[in-house]
Amino acid sequence: DGGITQSPKYLFRKEGQNVTLSCEQNLNHDAMYWYRQDPGQGLRLIYYSQIVNDFQKGDIAEGYSVSREKKESFPLTVTSAQKNPTAFYLCASSSRRRNNEQFFGPGTRLTVL
Amino acid sequence: SQQGEEDPQALSIQEGENATMNCSYKTSINNLQWYRQNSGRGLVHLILIRSNEREKHSGRLRVTLDTSKKSSSLLITASRAADTASYFCATAVYGGATNKLIFGTGTLLAVQP
Repeated sequence: DGGITQSPKYLFRKEGQNVTLSCEQNLNHDAMYWYRQDPGQGLRLIYYSQIVNDFQKGDIAEGYSVSREKKESFPLTVTSAQKNPTAFYLCASSSRRRNNEQFFGPGTRLTVL
Repeated sequence: SQQGEEDPQALSIQEGENATMNCSYKTSINNLQWYRQNSGRGLVHLILIRSNEREKHSGRLRVTLDTSKKSSSLLITASRAADTASYFCATAVYGGATNKLIFGTGTLLAVQP
């Protein structure tokens, strides 16, 4: 089965700790994205990557970091510098061959205690 | 930045009725896409309409696009309880190295059985 996976589904973190969210895809997509969604709101772009070893900041990159060492993987680290990290995080991937339609993972719900 | 604004924010209808959601955006686009999100899940792509298209159909979905008014509508005909979800429009803006979607704030649709 082709798809995009995120882990873990739920994550709890103490204030001041860094935490890394996993995102893996086997769709052979070049582009990958990280979004943040707060209750009752739309998606806000954190970071995106259009090719391996390259990524760009989105609208709300402060307090987050990413890497793109492999085409299949795009992990997101939520650092202690992120002032309000409790949110639902969604990863997506896309291909120019599919008009950049984005395929989403199931999401990770991060709660800071 | 949020480009798309959806209207209404919430909509409650009876099974069998039609549901119409509207999306307005601000800048020129390459295409506009509609996504669906069930509570606590990732987004699922529904339909894409290119900037040179005015109407598109897919099953019970009908999408229109008016680039002069920078607006789009999604019509779901003969709604079912299973259509209950949040619906988001997303505009694709391509330019140079930029290749990303900007999501609207979403419409929460509740279909009563």
